Amino acid sequence: QITLKESGPALVKPTQTLTLTCTFSGFSLTTSGVGVGWIRRPPGKPLEWLALIYWNDNKRYSPSLQSRLTITKDTSKNQVVLTMTNMDSEDTATYYCAHRRRMVVSGKWGYYFDYWGQGTLVTVSS
Amino acid sequence: SYALTQPPSVSVAPGQTASISCGGNNIGSKSVHWYQLRPGQAPVLVVYDNSDRPSGIPERFSGSNSGNTATLTISRVEAGDEADYYCQVRDSSVDHYVFGSGTEVTVL
Repeated sequence: QITLKESGPALVKPTQTLTLTCTFSGFSLTTSGVGVGWIRRPPGKPLEWLALIYWNDNKRYSPSLQSRLTITKDTSKNQVVLTMTNMDSEDTATYYCAHRRRMVVSGKWGYYFDYWGQGTLVTVSS
Repeated sequence: SYALTQPPSVSVAPGQTASISCGGNNIGSKSVHWYQLRPGQAPVLVVYDNSDRPSGIPERFSGSNSGNTATLTISRVEAGDEADYYCQVRDSSVDHYVFGSGTEVTVL
């Protein structure tokens, strides 16, 4: 059974750096095709994809936030860490990590998030 | 960058059918996935690859995708279906993931 859980500070001050950890079980981030992503949902706003790291250590970032984000993995601990610099009130959101699955159906690849953590609410305020 | 557009809200009476659209340029050429978000709960994948259901998702949830519109259909709507729903695709040209603007489903 795949599970993921986010952890990190509930409150950060403006300009600070946020560090979130996703601890997972039930899969290995060394298995070909596997990825772990971060997605957030600000209050009253839609889901926003932030970053993804692959089994081969390739990384992808949202173009609008790329300069502020870093995603890393520690396969020995089954953890993925996301850091976001220069936090602002606009970054107040529930942050989720999720398992990215890759599957071919009718000759076409599909890429989706099939397991999610419960999310962690991060508030940016002085 | 690729954008997905959904109606902000859909209202439906219990037992009726709710249809949620997801518009995108030639979205029919992509695989579309749908998620359900209830307050305080982890998001749930309800449809993947346009029309497949994960294990445990009722047959009442179905999807289709053609042209510039993908659709999530919830048949025989129940009170427990009240939630926000999001479509999602992967922009293969840059290997980025895109979510729709989200639709709030209200059961009357």
